[in-house]
Amino acid sequence: DIVMTQSPESLTVSLGERATINCKSSQSIFYNSNSRNYLAWYQQKPGQPPKLLIYWASTRESGVPDRFSGSGSGTDFTLTITSLQAEDVAVYYCQQYYSAPYSFGQGTKLEIK
Amino acid sequence: QVQLVQSGAEVKKPGSSVTVSCKGSGGTLRRYAIAWVRQAPGQGLEWMGVIIPILQSLDYAPKFKHRVTISTDDSATTAYMELSSLRPEDTGVYYCARAGSGDSSGFYVAWGQGTLVTVSS
Repeated sequence: DIVMTQSPESLTVSLGERATINCKSSQSIFYNSNSRNYLAWYQQKPGQPPKLLIYWASTRESGVPDRFSGSGSGTDFTLTITSLQAEDVAVYYCQQYYSAPYSFGQGTKLEIK
Repeated sequence: QVQLVQSGAEVKKPGSSVTVSCKGSGGTLRRYAIAWVRQAPGQGLEWMGVIIPILQSLDYAPKFKHRVTISTDDSATTAYMELSSLRPEDTGVYYCARAGSGDSSGFYVAWGQGTLVTVSS
């Protein structure tokens, strides 16, 4: 099974500043035949289900603000939130869908300083 | 777009079983991958398994393989997740989630509202 490890576990950032969350997979989740990384990012606010932000490591879901971006390849990935807004306070999860079981990272809690 | 509506909260005794339903409003779930994800109180997301009705495909996480059954009704408008031999540590919110089809069947574009299952004697 592929293990997903996120860092940091929690993050405090000032409004308007940049937040960076890292995600590392225990093996490569890049598929050579289609040159895609099988990595998604979700945002979860208290009392709500997760919301898809990014898929294929860097493709933003429709309606997601462009301050959210994903990067990385192979085993190392990053979610970046530029110009942090108050509504971005949430827990963020990465997920690999390269091979079942489609595991999630443990989550990163983002708070405002 | 097909949205997901889950059944209500459940309270169960240890050793019993629970079935959570997930109805697609606005259409059939047949061509989508429908996954079940658990979240224990204050904890992260745990992938339990997935069904793709049109492919008659099922896959379970090893941790749950001997206790969970995922299915759909004949019309594939409702998906079900049954978890047996319940333990207090199975307490949590259970989500169904819908993926796309084909190559996009691994990431989840829509989620149910969640169903709280409490296991207590």
